[in-house]
Amino acid sequence: GQQVMQIPQYQHVQEGEDFTTYCNSSTTLSNIQWYKQRPGGHPVFLIQLVKSGEVKKQKRLTFQFGEAKKNSSLHITATQTTDVGTYFCAGGASMNRDDKIIFGKGTRLHILP
Amino acid sequence: ETGVTQTPRHLVMGMTNKKSLKCEQHLGHNAMYWYKQSAKKPLELMFVYNFKEQTENNSVPSRFSPECPNSSHLFLHLHTLQPEDSALYLCASSWIGGSSYNEQFFGPGTRLTVL
Repeated sequence: GQQVMQIPQYQHVQEGEDFTTYCNSSTTLSNIQWYKQRPGGHPVFLIQLVKSGEVKKQKRLTFQFGEAKKNSSLHITATQTTDVGTYFCAGGASMNRDDKIIFGKGTRLHILP
Repeated sequence: ETGVTQTPRHLVMGMTNKKSLKCEQHLGHNAMYWYKQSAKKPLELMFVYNFKEQTENNSVPSRFSPECPNSSHLFLHLHTLQPEDSALYLCASSWIGGSSYNEQFFGPGTRLTVL
């Protein structure tokens, strides 16, 4: 069945360094969503990408959707302690006339002061 | 965010107990979801209800029984659970229109401990 793989599983960075998490799907996606879950909190929607090759920015966060619509990335520039949390990608796809959204396992980001 | 509420926030139960988790969304969405979150499987989809009809059941054991009486309310009935069922249970809602899923709004979750 369809899988959404996310790497790395964990990432430790020094405050101020950049961070990137990658999401790869075994099938072509109709869209991809990104969520952030703070420690002790619940996932919160960040953004949705729909178009092939789309790039969107939110302050220090840059989101990309691959040309083939099978992969995506989230890049954080100059990390801050408020960036701590787990980042999930969620791929939307149509399978057998049903639409599904499948979450990756997430990347847990730790910031070292 | 208060768009999706869940009660109780914490629950401790024995393996022979019967309990129910409740979720309510105030966002006018037409789809609701139950997820299980544990250290082994960070975000595991359990059930999906679209227009009150169950459209997905990801091989969830029968000791978990969902109920969706209307598009704003979702329940998860629990009975004869196992200790490995201890986890955070998250409810979410979204709008499904045409052929696409829009962003999901999550509730705060119920932290379940099975003794």
